[in-house]
Amino acid sequence: GAVVSQHPSRVICKSGTSVKIECRSLDFQATTMFWYRQFPKQSLMLMATSNEGSKATYEQGVEKDKFLINHASLTLSTLTVTSAHPEDSSFYICSAQTTRVREETQYFGPGTRLLVL
Amino acid sequence: GIQVEQSPPDLILQEGANSTLRCNFSDSVNNLQWFHQNPWGQLINLFYIPSGTKQNGRLSATTVATERYSLLYISSSQTTDSGVYFCAVALYSGNTPLVFGKGTRLSVIA
Repeated sequence: GAVVSQHPSRVICKSGTSVKIECRSLDFQATTMFWYRQFPKQSLMLMATSNEGSKATYEQGVEKDKFLINHASLTLSTLTVTSAHPEDSSFYICSAQTTRVREETQYFGPGTRLLVL
Repeated sequence: GIQVEQSPPDLILQEGANSTLRCNFSDSVNNLQWFHQNPWGQLINLFYIPSGTKQNGRLSATTVATERYSLLYISSSQTTDSGVYFCAVALYSGNTPLVFGKGTRLSVIA
């Protein structure tokens, strides 16, 4: 299967600081990546769709000025949580789809745990 | 939007037992995937199965697209099978995001 990595895996920051999370497709190119958020004991909720070379598309209720997404290359998308607050503490997961194989399978990164103090 | 319902929400099994997890969805889909989320949060791809039946070792899955449900079978369960199992669907083909069910939390006890 395809491999998607995320960095960092865990981050603790003070309230008011910004945090950048990287999502990379290691062995395939991804024109589109997706960012999800998961709160404890809940399901994954889509935050935004990241498109290489163009603006991201955000889901309703997700502040685009707070969650900045940059898809600068075919293998890298970044999510920056600006002026983070404790309520932004969550598990952030990215995914990408490879068209290398016939099946349209999405592969997920290992996730980033963000704790805002 | 499309609704995805999974049942049961929680399941406790004795090691060696078999189980069936169900996923109902409210509309026709072009993509359906089953995932296992391990204790560290990693989502592990189990099956891409918008229709038909697949098997991989002790796991198998069946999707009846016309009736809008999918089943995940786990046979001879092991403690390492513990975790949360998610069903996720997409309405359209191509690069479209997945809509997740709430998951089934499985605990396999020795």
